[in-house]
Amino acid sequence: GEDVEQSLFLSVREGDSSVINCTYTDSSSTYLYWYKQEPGAGLQLLTYIFSNMDMKQDQRLTVLLNKKDKHLSLRIADTQTGDSAIYFCAEKDYGQNFVFGPGTRLSVLP
Amino acid sequence: DAGVIQSPRHEVTEMGQEVTLRCKPISGHNSLFWYRQTMMRGLELLIYFNNNVPIDDSGMPEDRFSAKMPNASFSTLKIQPSEPRDSAVYFCASSLGETQYFGPGTRLLVL
Repeated sequence: GEDVEQSLFLSVREGDSSVINCTYTDSSSTYLYWYKQEPGAGLQLLTYIFSNMDMKQDQRLTVLLNKKDKHLSLRIADTQTGDSAIYFCAEKDYGQNFVFGPGTRLSVLP
Repeated sequence: DAGVIQSPRHEVTEMGQEVTLRCKPISGHNSLFWYRQTMMRGLELLIYFNNNVPIDDSGMPEDRFSAKMPNASFSTLKIQPSEPRDSAVYFCASSLGETQYFGPGTRLLVL
């Protein structure tokens, strides 16, 4: 079946850029997503990209997609303490099948 | 836009009791999902509905779990009887097309 993988932890210094990586296996992915989960809260949709795009930028967030390598990344510029959270990568096929990765816990150090 | 609404937000119950979790999807969304999140297993899809019809329930752990969607604006997830290993955060999410939005979750503790 489809699989989405992410590294589990990332630590960065406040003000630096964070890059969270994700790989997936489904060749028929149509959309790829990044969600943010803060402690005690639900998953918040941050951004998503259509599979025929290779980049999307939204303020401090940049999503890069390498469809050939099935690799997705999320770059957060000027990382702040409020960015500390778990970030989930997810992909969707042509139906309504969303597959989530295990999440990357981002810690922002002062 | 009220977002996905879940109730209760917290539930503490004793083993063997019936638990019912409720979800109101975003108006106009035609798909609804139930997920369970634990530290050990991460985020697991339990079941999803499309136009009120269950499409994939392969993630439902066992017969103690059941889900219904009697209309486009309401769904329930029932656990009967509940067990301590059911303790988790249960999320409902809804989607229309490519975007899926999550509710705040119900934190369930079974003693």
